[in-house]
Amino acid sequence: GAGVSQSPRYKVAKRGQDVALRCDPISGHVSLFWYQQALGQGPEFLTYFQNEAQLDKSGLPSDRFFAERPEGSVSTLKIQRTQQEDSAVYLCASRRGGSEGETQYFGPGTRLLVL
Amino acid sequence: DAKTTQPTSMDCAEGRAANLPCNHSTISGNEYVYWYRQIHSQGPQYIIHGLKNNETNEMASLIITEDRKSSTLILPHATLRDTAVYYCIVRVFFTGTASKLTFGTGTRLQVTL
Repeated sequence: GAGVSQSPRYKVAKRGQDVALRCDPISGHVSLFWYQQALGQGPEFLTYFQNEAQLDKSGLPSDRFFAERPEGSVSTLKIQRTQQEDSAVYLCASRRGGSEGETQYFGPGTRLLVL
Repeated sequence: DAKTTQPTSMDCAEGRAANLPCNHSTISGNEYVYWYRQIHSQGPQYIIHGLKNNETNEMASLIITEDRKSSTLILPHATLRDTAVYYCIVRVFFTGTASKLTFGTGTRLQVTL
């Protein structure tokens, strides 16, 4: 497709369950970002990849959060032992190059609800 | 990155210009002003960015004051589809590594008939 896609679009998990969220960036885009957006708030940075290298994971809230991009394209954000406070929209964005100034293109997000 | 201040919400009549202000009084000389918007249930969308000169593209115009401490995003003829949350972000153009966007809470623009 032409844009960033994410799946699933909606996920309901029971507290304690593990979840995996997928991001398909725009083909050929080098940089990939994950953001978390709580209800009524702006997105907050989680982690950043340049190709397969995770260069910044300073925004991951706990060691229950893990992200990977093994082949430098598709990325997966995994949350282990989900908690209610993990309920949020998880947004993925990609950028063509490694340059700071280029536009980030966002996917529609995955809305996670932890019961 | 410099902190920004935006009004929580604004209304605009369809067909009129929407002027969205942003204060960034602590902006540094190498920091750019970026605008993104987020339509309900979608991811944020890039609109425009600038350093010190006014900028215009097919979506909007960006007016930056001479002292660069504030800016205004202008949607010249707002439509119902422009209803969204608009985020003003100030950041350096190039740092070489991590390049996260730091969003605030933005301005919720409601365009009405």
